[in-house]
Amino acid sequence: GQNIDQPTEMTATEGAIVQINCTYQTSGFNGLFWYQQHAGEAPTFLSYNVLDGLEEKGRFSSFLSRSKGYSYLLLKELQMKDSASYLCAVLNNFNKFYFGSGTKLNVKP
Amino acid sequence: DGGITQSPKYLFRKEGQNVTLSCEQNLNHDAMYWYRQDPGQGLRLIYYSQIVNDFQKGDIAEGYSVSREKKESFPLTVTSAQKNPTAFYLCASTQGAYGYTFGSGTRLTVV
Repeated sequence: GQNIDQPTEMTATEGAIVQINCTYQTSGFNGLFWYQQHAGEAPTFLSYNVLDGLEEKGRFSSFLSRSKGYSYLLLKELQMKDSASYLCAVLNNFNKFYFGSGTKLNVKP
Repeated sequence: DGGITQSPKYLFRKEGQNVTLSCEQNLNHDAMYWYRQDPGQGLRLIYYSQIVNDFQKGDIAEGYSVSREKKESFPLTVTSAQKNPTAFYLCASTQGAYGYTFGSGTRLTVV
């Protein structure tokens, strides 16, 4: 079966760094995606990893280890507007996406 | 600008009524998807379509129906057989092995 696990909720302080982990077990692997979703809105694309290593994009970075079935999203210099849910999604060998339940991040002053 | 348009943004359904959610894209994407999201939960796949005139059931297709008569359009009908339809519905499209583009969503409430 397909399984994607993320922590349900995290809290961090404005200006700090937070790491959101994601572990997965899927039928093959064609890439891992991170999305940001504010309450009541559609998810928006943040990052894509298909090879092992770190992808950096401004304040956000995403890491992938395919052998461990593991990824994390790193958010630096946290801002209040970063309070949202962060969804991990894996594309399997059949070009089908599987989403984790999302991690709700609360950024406090 | 290219994108996905979902309508309406809010929809109210009476018990026993069928309702149809609209999803239109002008991205020329082949594949389109419908997801359901319940509060505090992830996205669950209802139906998807890889090409025109073909669609497949996802993980929670019971009580829903779709059609794909045009590449641009993938409407979802929530039938009376769906006993708990209150949720946030998201339409998405993709081309090949790239990430999704999502619509803005439709919030359906049973009254």
